[in-house]
Amino acid sequence: SYELTQPPSVSVSPGQTVNIFCSGHELGEKYVCWYQQKPGQSPVLIIYEDRKRPSGIPERFSGSNSNSGSTATLTITGTQAMDEADYYCQAWDSGAVVFGGGTKLTVL
Amino acid sequence: EVQIVESGGGLVQPGGSLRLSCAASGFIFDDYAMNWVRQAPGKGLEWVSGISWNSDSVAYAASVKGRFTISRDNAKNALFLQMKSLRPEDTARYFCAKSIVAAVTTRTTAFDSWGRGTLVTVSS
Repeated sequence: SYELTQPPSVSVSPGQTVNIFCSGHELGEKYVCWYQQKPGQSPVLIIYEDRKRPSGIPERFSGSNSNSGSTATLTITGTQAMDEADYYCQAWDSGAVVFGGGTKLTVL
Repeated sequence: EVQIVESGGGLVQPGGSLRLSCAASGFIFDDYAMNWVRQAPGKGLEWVSGISWNSDSVAYAASVKGRFTISRDNAKNALFLQMKSLRPEDTARYFCAKSIVAAVTTRTTAFDSWGRGTLVTVSS
């Protein structure tokens, strides 16, 4: 079965830029989306189709996916304390939805 | 405003059954695929099942195939998950999630609205 791999944790200082990576076999050929989940809350879609932002999602969140590679990236620019959360990537493969294991972002 | 509310969770013994329900409002229900996603305590997200806008297409994770059945009632804006032969590893919070597209099996699948979830505990 298809797998998406994320680093378990990442830390960043307030105001800095942080990248969260998601890797999978030929991931560049798939659409990737990203979710933010804060403790005790439901996930929120923040990026879909690699780089599109739903309405209401701040511009400091952006996504990219290498066309011929295996890694997608969520970038948070000017990170704020409120961005501390778990982040999950997600893709579709062979009729099933697959989530990455999640990355805990700590804003120090 | 989109609202999604799950119900039907609870404590059930291994081998038992449970039926989850999801009530949706604030959007045209039969324009979109719907899904169930679960999260075991302290763990990550796991997609469970999805159903297309008109119920013509359904999909299941390998871990639940043959034990769980997804269905929907567009007249009542409702989604269901019938769970049988439950195992301790099925213990999780189950979220109902709205897709951004009508088809269930598509590379553009993403979930833009989620309920708060209902907790299922499988234990003797």
